[in-house]
Amino acid sequence: NAGVTQTPKFQVLKTGQSMTLQCAQDMNHNSMYWYRQDPGMGLRLIYYSASEGTTDKGEVPNGYNVSRLNKREFSLRLESAAPSQTSVYFCASILGGGGQPQHFGDGTRLSIL
Amino acid sequence: GEDVEQSLFLSVREGDSSVINCTYTDSSSTYLYWYKQEPGAGLQLLTYIFSNMDMKQDQRLTVLLNKKDKHLSLRIADTQTGDSAIYFCAENSLRGGYNKLIFGAGTRLAVHP
Repeated sequence: NAGVTQTPKFQVLKTGQSMTLQCAQDMNHNSMYWYRQDPGMGLRLIYYSASEGTTDKGEVPNGYNVSRLNKREFSLRLESAAPSQTSVYFCASILGGGGQPQHFGDGTRLSIL
Repeated sequence: GEDVEQSLFLSVREGDSSVINCTYTDSSSTYLYWYKQEPGAGLQLLTYIFSNMDMKQDQRLTVLLNKKDKHLSLRIADTQTGDSAIYFCAENSLRGGYNKLIFGAGTRLAVHP
């Protein structure tokens, strides 16, 4: 059982390039999330998808777009990468609401030069 | 506001107990979580506590919750070198109309012989 799988694990981009980060979960979870992790700041929510077919902005959505392709997959796109988007990106999923714990992928380390 | 605060660093001797503290602000949080992050890895759920509990024990881990003071602590008994990691406190919040986790910045635990 793979849980939450993120690809790629590492990526280096030049400023202005675009890229899509992929996330898939095999736990039949309804809700999925994208976070970024920066030193000394914990995790900040970029976008979330409460259920298939819905997406909503989180705390830091500017410069990103998302697609909930189906129940399993939730992708994050950077249309024109900027150095400020250098970060570690985590995808997470949860079965439903009610405070159930989120399950995290291993992260994508993204550097933008 | 929505803040979860933790001290950034803790150093302990192998075999001693570690206590990591956290304060949160959302009094309506129903669950509070402790996650562990090892270098280069994602977040691993260690334990969580429901807000109507004062204490939860799971092997070497003890979680104490003081709801009046909005204070959460994680005690690791007989700390081992394998416990060296970053520990994140998180509260679940329904502010904004969706279930989300608010993370602290993380406490880096260093275990030395």
